[in-house]
Amino acid sequence: NAGVMQNPRHLVRRRGQEARLRCSPMKGHSHVYWYRQLPEEGLKFMVYLQKENIIDESGMPKERFSAEFPKEGPSILRIQQVVRGDSAAYFCASSPSRVTDTEAFFGQGTRLTVV
Amino acid sequence: RKEVEQDPGPFNVPEGATVAFNCTYSNSASQSFFWYRQDCRKEPKLLMSVYSSGNEDGRFTAQLNRASQYISLLIRDSKLSDSATYLCVVNKEGFKTIFGAGTRLFVKA
Repeated sequence: NAGVMQNPRHLVRRRGQEARLRCSPMKGHSHVYWYRQLPEEGLKFMVYLQKENIIDESGMPKERFSAEFPKEGPSILRIQQVVRGDSAAYFCASSPSRVTDTEAFFGQGTRLTVV
Repeated sequence: RKEVEQDPGPFNVPEGATVAFNCTYSNSASQSFFWYRQDCRKEPKLLMSVYSSGNEDGRFTAQLNRASQYISLLIRDSKLSDSATYLCVVNKEGFKTIFGAGTRLFVKA
């Protein structure tokens, strides 16, 4: 049973380019969460999605960031026109139901470096 | 005030020591609580859930104090392998999970 799969593991982008981060939840999990971790800081909630629905995006920056979780395929976190401050580790987590009921399992993260 | 606050540490302790971390949360409506462990440059992994009655798992004991709005983690007989960052996690409003910034622990021989 594969765990939460994130790819790529490492992504380098020049300022102004787009970054697309993918997350395939564990089999049977329909809830996906994205978190950002800046160097030497804790995890910050970005967005919570279920299939085809954004449930809570209160942690997403208002501009340049978007997320989706289509009916088929992985969840995508998209960052347009990246800036140096976007450099961070982006973790995806999934759970079979709302996370209050059970633990969330994390992927290994995508480390984005903006040069 | 942050929603979840932890002492960032680092805590430097010798092997065999007992160490305790506290975490305070601001929302009294918070519903569930967890401790996660994160090793350097790795993903967080669940260490243990925290129940109102307190719970123990081997050398680890977690406690919740709703009146004072804090949770604690006690590690007895520290091992070198316990060196990591410990994240306090609070769920509120059903699904918005809030992570603390983490407490770093270094256990030395």
